[in-house]
Amino acid sequence: DQQVKQNSPSLSVQEGRISILNCDYTNSMFDYFLWYKKYPAEGPTFLISISSIKDKNEDGRFTVFLNKSAKHLSLHIVPSQPGDSAVYFCAATTNLNAGGTSYGKLTFGQGTILTVHP
Amino acid sequence: NAGVTQTPKFQVLKTGQSMTLQCAQDMNHEYMSWYRQDPGMGLRLIHYSVGAGITDQGEVPNGYNVSRSTTEDFPLRLLSAAPSQTSVYFCASSPGTRGDTGELFFGEGSRLTVL
Repeated sequence: DQQVKQNSPSLSVQEGRISILNCDYTNSMFDYFLWYKKYPAEGPTFLISISSIKDKNEDGRFTVFLNKSAKHLSLHIVPSQPGDSAVYFCAATTNLNAGGTSYGKLTFGQGTILTVHP
Repeated sequence: NAGVTQTPKFQVLKTGQSMTLQCAQDMNHEYMSWYRQDPGMGLRLIHYSVGAGITDQGEVPNGYNVSRSTTEDFPLRLLSAAPSQTSVYFCASSPGTRGDTGELFFGEGSRLTVL
């Protein structure tokens, strides 16, 4: 049972436009969500995160939105650049709010391949 | 700082062979974990450790063993390789209770093919 789902395997966007990557989850115990970016032949690298007590977190060109009632989050990249072309993974964990610990355990989605065309 | 180092980067095994994937981190991180990445499946947790001498199973532990004798090292052992273990393996670490933001630091991966 896939608790974190990224239903779009791929997304193609023109340089300068907005990229929107979506993620859905089923486990209501998840209280912290992260996005990772992965280039070929490299390990995933952390991009941005959001706590379940917030509905938006922004870091430069990257913004993550969380809709708890819909169990849905999205990553917006504005403006998109060719260097953003990579696989993006959504991930979730429990027990991190209120001073808890994740134990280093993340549940990942399947990933979305983003291609930004010049 | 090398971060998280995995060896080997590539390995081809025959069914039934055993091998160990090595992982070392130099960030004094408390937590370490192993994930495998398969097409259409994302990354799935195999085993994790919250400190030296403490390990536990993740989502897909069958066919794998781990141990954590030091803070720095967390090897993953394949006891009797099967074609279903063909995958890309990632080791990750995180600070743990000294500053847990959920963020994991990943190695570059080890691509394993079992024939």
